[in-house]
Amino acid sequence: KAGVTQTPRYLIKTRGQQVTLSCSPISGHRSVSWYQQTPGQGLQFLFEYFSETQRNKGNFPGRFSGRQFSNSRSEMNVSTLELGDSALYLCASSPSVIGEQYFGPGTRLTVT
Amino acid sequence: AQSVAQPEDQVNVAEGNPLTVKCTYSVSGNPYLFWYVQYPNRGLQFLLKYITGDNLVKGSYGFEAEFNKSQTSFHLKKPSALVSDSALYFCAVRDEDTGGFKTIFGAGTRLFVKA
Repeated sequence: KAGVTQTPRYLIKTRGQQVTLSCSPISGHRSVSWYQQTPGQGLQFLFEYFSETQRNKGNFPGRFSGRQFSNSRSEMNVSTLELGDSALYLCASSPSVIGEQYFGPGTRLTVT
Repeated sequence: AQSVAQPEDQVNVAEGNPLTVKCTYSVSGNPYLFWYVQYPNRGLQFLLKYITGDNLVKGSYGFEAEFNKSQTSFHLKKPSALVSDSALYFCAVRDEDTGGFKTIFGAGTRLFVKA
């Protein structure tokens, strides 16, 4: 099976802009989670979707949002970008609610 | 609220020696515990998990982990380290709170295996 794919792999944006990141889970996986990884804060949970429903959300401002489509593909959006949003954004899919997660390569976002 | 602690930022071990990477956790319900590894310029990879059953779980690349409920620990171990094991290791706990399930990761422990 193909792994989790994320597009784009790299992005450079300026403050105030918005960005949309995309994630395609492993075929058959209905659970998709998003994480932000930075050297200072480590891996921080953003949100999790299951069958198009947001099941949980981390402690991030409302500028961070996401959605999941009927084919389980997911997108996350960050509006009004700030310098501190520069990070590696990881998407993971899982075959079950309590199962292990399979991660994509990430999207590296740089905000200037 | 759930939490995961990896008390060591870095672990150094000589090739061929046993290694241990420590992890302690706090959850409100049943603990679902995981170890992941991140190699340089590569994504996070699943190593092993504890859901229920035997306290000693075996995973990929010869790694194993011991679940200890009384000490709320889930330490990662390998009997004989390889230089290629050098990477960043994350312990994670999956728990259900009022909002639903979510996975919390520890800060990570960098493992250096010297030849």
